[in-house]
Amino acid sequence: GAGVSQTPSNKVTEKGKYVELRCDPISGHTALYWYRQSLGQGPEFLIYFQGTGAADDSGLPNDRFFAVRPEGSVSTLKIQRTERGDSAVYLCASSLGVRGGKDTQYFGPGTRLTVL
Amino acid sequence: TQLLEQSPQFLSIQEGENLTVYCNSSSVFSSLQWYRQEPGEGPVLLVTVVTGGEVKKLKRLTFQFGDARKDSSLHITAAQPGDTGLYLCAGAVQNQGGKLIFGQGTELSVKP
Repeated sequence: GAGVSQTPSNKVTEKGKYVELRCDPISGHTALYWYRQSLGQGPEFLIYFQGTGAADDSGLPNDRFFAVRPEGSVSTLKIQRTERGDSAVYLCASSLGVRGGKDTQYFGPGTRLTVL
Repeated sequence: TQLLEQSPQFLSIQEGENLTVYCNSSSVFSSLQWYRQEPGEGPVLLVTVVTGGEVKKLKRLTFQFGDARKDSSLHITAAQPGDTGLYLCAGAVQNQGGKLIFGQGTELSVKP
């Protein structure tokens, strides 16, 4: 596909469960970002990867959140022991590089996570 | 903590009116991006500005980056119902890689 894809589009889970959210970036894009958007708010940065390594994970709220990008392409955001406050839309974006923040980020449609 | 203050948060106007959305911060940005987001979708890029004082036009939309690269504005001329949506500004903070700081968003409603 030409754009960033995310699966699943919707995920409903129960409090305390483990979830994985997947992101497929645009082919050839070396940088990949995760953001979280709560209702009525702008997206909030979580983590970004340059290649396989996490270049900045300062936005992860706590140690229940973890993300990987083992081969420098697809990334998975993992949330352990989910809480109701984790309910939000999780957005993934990719860019060709980083270039000091000047490379455009292209967003996927998001995964809507609901924790009951 | 970097903040990007976006205003107004809500705007309801009649077709044909002009409007301006503002984003302000105390941080210097290496670039600033404007996005539009529809319900159930991810943000879609409208424009990226990188040079202080830069002005870009996209049909009826005019984007300006402040001289000090701390603020930006989006001006829409003769708004149309099709302009309705959520507008987001996002800045890449200088020396912090590609991480974007988003404003709270402006929910624009243009009534026919």
